[in-house]
Amino acid sequence: GAVVSQHPSWVICKSGTSVKIECRSLDFQATTMFWYRQFPKQSLMLMATSNEGSKATYEQGVEKDKFLINHASLTLSTLTVTSAHPEDSSFYICSATFDRASSGNTIYFGEGSWLTVV
Amino acid sequence: QKEVEQDPGPLSVPEGAIVSLNCTYSNSAFQYFMWYRQYSRKGPELLMYTYSSGNKEDGRFTAQVDKSSKYISLFIRDSQPSDSATYLCATQYNFNKFYFGSGTKLNVKP
Repeated sequence: GAVVSQHPSWVICKSGTSVKIECRSLDFQATTMFWYRQFPKQSLMLMATSNEGSKATYEQGVEKDKFLINHASLTLSTLTVTSAHPEDSSFYICSATFDRASSGNTIYFGEGSWLTVV
Repeated sequence: QKEVEQDPGPLSVPEGAIVSLNCTYSNSAFQYFMWYRQYSRKGPELLMYTYSSGNKEDGRFTAQVDKSSKYISLFIRDSQPSDSATYLCATQYNFNKFYFGSGTKLNVKP
């Protein structure tokens, strides 16, 4: 199946600093990438959807100035958590999709990134 | 009403049992259905991808879609302790819109 790589897997940062998480599609060109946040024992919460070269579309309640998303190419999207605070500590997961011609899309996930803000 | 509803469990079964995981969805226009497995502290992994009603089999896994009742199922035969994980159902609508169930936590006891 298609491979999506996410880096770093774990990151600890000090409160007030910014952290960047990278998401790469390794063996396909991703038409769209998604960023999710997942709290312990809870389901995925979609944060934003991004297409290459376009501004990301954020879900209601997600601060776009807080969570900066850059989709620079068809294989790379980045999420930057700016001025991180302890409440931003969470599991962040990216995913990517590509057009399967006539048979619809499916979505492939990265391994996730654990962010701890101290 | 949520687009996809899934019983959160937890579901606990003995090793070797047949497991049935189920979801319902609200919109009859949904066409593509997926099942993901998520181990603790990992990203979800695609298990099955189906389109239209009927069954699709892959090894010990069978995905079933019943569009008339808007019901999707994942069956796991000869369940193993390594199958212990959270299983997420999902559907795709309108090109890039995906809806996920809340996940069912499965525990297979040796």
